[in-house]
Amino acid sequence: EAGVAQSPRYKIIEKRQSVAFWCNPISGHATLYWYQQILGQGPKLLIQFQNNGVVDDSQLPKDRFSAERLKGVDSTLKIQPAKLEDSAVYLCASSLVAGGLGTEAFFGQGTRLTVV
Amino acid sequence: SQQGEEDPQALSIQEGENATMNCSYKTSINNLQWYRQNSGRGLVHLILIRSNEREKHSGRLRVTLDTSKKSSSLLITASRAADTASYFCATDAGYSTLTFGKGTMLLVSP
Repeated sequence: EAGVAQSPRYKIIEKRQSVAFWCNPISGHATLYWYQQILGQGPKLLIQFQNNGVVDDSQLPKDRFSAERLKGVDSTLKIQPAKLEDSAVYLCASSLVAGGLGTEAFFGQGTRLTVV
Repeated sequence: SQQGEEDPQALSIQEGENATMNCSYKTSINNLQWYRQNSGRGLVHLILIRSNEREKHSGRLRVTLDTSKKSSSLLITASRAADTASYFCATDAGYSTLTFGKGTMLLVSP
């Protein structure tokens, strides 16, 4: 089966510019996650969707970050304006079900963002 | 916030040796999962253990879970150079939100 697709793989932008990342989860997966991973740290959840509804966005910096999941399939994550501290790898993951049933998450390769 | 905390932060062993890494967490969980991340790549799921299970095996992997101590361990037996990676535990504490720890970097030398 096809995996989680993310694009672009790399992006370099200047601070205060905007950037968008795209994710196509595995077909049929209801749950989609966006994580931010700073070098040397573990992934930090930014937002979790269940179909096209938001389950958890408590750690999303909403003054600059936004995310949507159109028709419960693809998702985009946007940063506007970017700060130097946003330099990180942005990981998208999907899983078949949610709600404590406990299924594995499949991750994309990630987008490495460098803000200069 | 990060629920899981892996220990040690880094581990260096020789091929053929066993590698043990630990994970502690703070709140009640539905299940705990272990993932591997090779440098510059996405995370790969290794194994899932449910809160009512105490031990689980998958190939060279053995995971234990002690809910009374809120801790888990991952044992990799007969390590290979290809096992060199970062290993993360992730807890599912409800709504299936996966919360990751900071990870253990494992280096297996030939």
